[in-house]
Amino acid sequence: DIQMTQPPSSLSASVGDRVTITCRASQSISSYLNWYQQKPGKAPKVLIYAASSLQSGVPSRFSGSGSGTDFTLTISSLQPEDFATYYCQQSYSTVYTFGQGTKLEIK
Amino acid sequence: EVQLVESGGGLVKPGGSLRLSCAASGFTINNAWMNWVRQAPGKGLEWVGRIKSKPDGGATDYAAPVKGRFTFSRDDSKNTLYLQMNSLKTEDTAMYFCTTERITGSYYYMDVWGKGTTVTVSS
Repeated sequence: DIQMTQPPSSLSASVGDRVTITCRASQSISSYLNWYQQKPGKAPKVLIYAASSLQSGVPSRFSGSGSGTDFTLTISSLQPEDFATYYCQQSYSTVYTFGQGTKLEIK
Repeated sequence: EVQLVESGGGLVKPGGSLRLSCAASGFTINNAWMNWVRQAPGKGLEWVGRIKSKPDGGATDYAAPVKGRFTFSRDDSKNTLYLQMNSLKTEDTAMYFCTTERITGSYYYMDVWGKGTTVTVSS
C-alpha cells in the first residue's frame, strides 16, 4: 500500500498567519491527492481534490499544490474556524490511504 | 438536502458480528460509488473500502485489515448501503462513516459524508 506521511502531527499558529501543511507519499501519486478538514466530533469535509482543485463552497484562502510525492495545503490567512485536523488522502491506487493527520492548534 | 445517515453501531463481543446501514436521502445511490471510512477513538482516518455502482460492475475493494471479514453490499431500491462485519476484533472499535465517491475526470475523492455510527468491540 502507498504510505502517506504528514509531518508534523501538530502545528501551532495564530489567527491571520499563513500556514503550510505538508504531505508526502511513499511513491509517486501524480496529482491524485485530496485534503480533508475534520473538526472534533464532526465528519471530515473535503477541501481540495486532485492536489490543487478547490472544492465548491470552500473559502479561497485554502489552496493546494504539489505532484509526485510532495504536497502542501496552504491557508493564506488563518481564521478562528480553521483550527482543526487536516488529512491528506491518496486516490492513485485502488486501495486508498490517509496521512495520520496534522492538528492545527491556536498559539 | 443530500444526506447520508449511518446506523447499526453498538457494543459487540470479540468474534461477533454486526451489520451497519447507510441510508441516503436527497439523491439516489444507483450510480454512486460508496466508501466506508473508520476512525478509532483519538486516532486518524482509515479507509475501510469501497463498493462501485452496479452500472460499473458493483466491484468491491477492501483495506487489508478487514479483507475476508467485512463485506459491502447495496440495495439501490432502498437507497441504502450495508457493511457486514464478521469476526470482529477489539481493533475494529471505531466510528464508521459512509461517504460518496465523486469522480471528476480521472480524479476521485470522497465528498458527502455521514455523521458516523460507533462500533465498540469489547468483552
